[in-house]
Amino acid sequence: GESVGLHLPTLSVQEGDNSIINCAYSNSASDYFIWYKQESGKGPQFIIDIRSNMDKRQGQRVTVLLNKTVKHLSLQIAATQPGDSAVYFCAETSYGQNFVFGPGTRLSVLP
Amino acid sequence: NAGVMQNPRHLVRRRGQEARLRCSPMKGHSHVYWYRQLPEEGLKFMVYLQKENIIDESGMPKERFSAEFPKEGPSILRIQQVVRGDSAAYFCASSPRTDVGQPQHFGDGTRLSIL
Repeated sequence: GESVGLHLPTLSVQEGDNSIINCAYSNSASDYFIWYKQESGKGPQFIIDIRSNMDKRQGQRVTVLLNKTVKHLSLQIAATQPGDSAVYFCAETSYGQNFVFGPGTRLSVLP
Repeated sequence: NAGVMQNPRHLVRRRGQEARLRCSPMKGHSHVYWYRQLPEEGLKFMVYLQKENIIDESGMPKERFSAEFPKEGPSILRIQQVVRGDSAAYFCASSPRTDVGQPQHFGDGTRLSIL
């Protein structure tokens, strides 16, 4: 289930289940979005990106969905594995602007 | 290809000392960004630099913090007269240019601890 901790919301899923991590972005002018994965003690690692002229983009085991109407971005991870446990950040930007990062969601994969 | 390299990985300073954090961008990348991260929180933008130019420093504290990206050598984030509240992880990212559709690539950060 999903819970909100002191700072980071946490999503707990069973190994093998699918995970869905959500992100609400703030700027309706944003036209490029990225999902990053951050493991403990490491920097954010690029997972997948999507431009605003697309609604969906698929990678290996991951899918990003973009709903511009409600300014919502989601990351779907198929067949979640223990190695997927990390904090996931969405980031948004528009041409010439800096990236703005979301607050992050901690994904915990239960055995 | 080497990724973004940051050093040191861990830095301990006493209050009042200076901290220097270094970042070498990925090969071919001329844009560097610095972010600060507190435990269990997201990334906060600090400054964006190109070679020899500060493009956007809107996230930098007005005092004690400075950044540079010289023509030769790494980008440096400098914190003078450190205080306990400066304790955080500082991440550097680089990108080839700022056109839409260019992800930033991150280093593994410098964890700064102030005694």
